[in-house]
Amino acid sequence: GEDVEQSLFLSVREGDSSVINCTYTDSSSTYLYWYKQEPGAGLQLLTYIFSNMDMKQDQRLTVLLNKKDKHLSLRIADTQTGDSAIYFCAESIEGGGNKLTFGTGTQLKVEL
Amino acid sequence: DAGVIQSPRHEVTEMGQEVTLRCKPISGHNSLFWYRQTMMRGLELLIYFNNNVPIDDSGMPEDRFSAKMPNASFSTLKIQPSEPRDSAVYFCASSVAHPVEKLFFGSGTQLSVL
Repeated sequence: GEDVEQSLFLSVREGDSSVINCTYTDSSSTYLYWYKQEPGAGLQLLTYIFSNMDMKQDQRLTVLLNKKDKHLSLRIADTQTGDSAIYFCAESIEGGGNKLTFGTGTQLKVEL
Repeated sequence: DAGVIQSPRHEVTEMGQEVTLRCKPISGHNSLFWYRQTMMRGLELLIYFNNNVPIDDSGMPEDRFSAKMPNASFSTLKIQPSEPRDSAVYFCASSVAHPVEKLFFGSGTQLSVL
């Protein structure tokens, strides 16, 4: 079945790197995604990675995928206060139609 | 583009009342999703439509919940009768189908059932 898990909280200092982790159980994932939710707003797509890739970089964001261990991570370089938000990983599954299964979300707090 | 538009932004109602949430997807998007977010259960997919047709409603909690999409630019989620445990933020999202599901979310409706 589909199960996507994340740690609940992460606190970092401004300027440091943040690493948010995600594990999933379904081995037939096609794409994996990272979404960001700011207070009082809907989720916003940050980046995604095809399941046959192991890394994708997009400016300050680096996505790493270990398909063998079913582990996905999002690294944010030079973390800023504006990066404070909840980060969700999600997966789409072959044969699953348009459905995305979202993780539990990680609250990132950036301290000065 | 105005993005996905949801109304109302906030809804406070009494137990037993009917609640109707509305959503206007992004023009040209052919998939529409209704999600519910709570602290306890996180983000749950309730139902989604492709080309106005309901594809998967397995997440709809019970018969009190119903969703319609009469045309490509409008969808409703109705709860009748509402209960306090329905209190949550309800999100509508839309996307262009396959293979990458880039969902665009509305700002949500904060529902409080007293």
